[in-house]
Amino acid sequence: ILNVEQSPQSLHVQEGDSTNFTCSFPSSNFYALHWYRWETAKSPEALFVMTLNGDEKKKGRISATLNTKEGYSYLYIKGSQPEDSATYLCASTDKLIFGTGTRLQVFP
Amino acid sequence: DAGVIQSPRHEVTEMGQEVTLRCKPISGHNSLFWYRQTMMRGLELLIYFNNNVPIDDSGMPEDRFSAKMPNASFSTLKIQPSEPRDSAVYFCASSRGGAGELFFGEGSRLTVL
Repeated sequence: ILNVEQSPQSLHVQEGDSTNFTCSFPSSNFYALHWYRWETAKSPEALFVMTLNGDEKKKGRISATLNTKEGYSYLYIKGSQPEDSATYLCASTDKLIFGTGTRLQVFP
Repeated sequence: DAGVIQSPRHEVTEMGQEVTLRCKPISGHNSLFWYRQTMMRGLELLIYFNNNVPIDDSGMPEDRFSAKMPNASFSTLKIQPSEPRDSAVYFCASSRGGAGELFFGEGSRLTVL
């Protein structure tokens, strides 16, 4: 993998559902992996910065894992709420290249 | 701290005109990034600076784009001459460097007619 890639591109879930998305990144010369939350009409805000293989981070109902050897990270949201609706971005490499994001919509 | 400050917030100009976007990073941050948001490519890195020095400008689309960081508290992104395809939201972000998280400005929305 030469670029940072995210899947799925978009996701529609019902309130209360748990969901997860994937970020794939170049595994060679790994530097750091960032997750950001981007709400419409706002600027991206950092959720997690991860640097160690096997790292797991948690903030409320949102958590993330990191596998630097195979070049992927998962973001999990437990019990999705309408206010979780946003685009979730990951960024990697020393230049902080962003993926195109996963757009999440949570319906009440 | 006031956060990353960008100006102008909105700019509408005519094709061929020079456009200058400005950014004031958070005090104490030594890395500064310029991104462009488009529908097709999402957040696209244009250039980043470390300690006021441009480290990688390979994302700058063409010679019409230039960026400077004359001191630790100010950076500009200039487009000359501007074209309609440059219309986008341009974000500036700063960090403490290393693997530090990015703090984004509110963006400058550019429309080139």
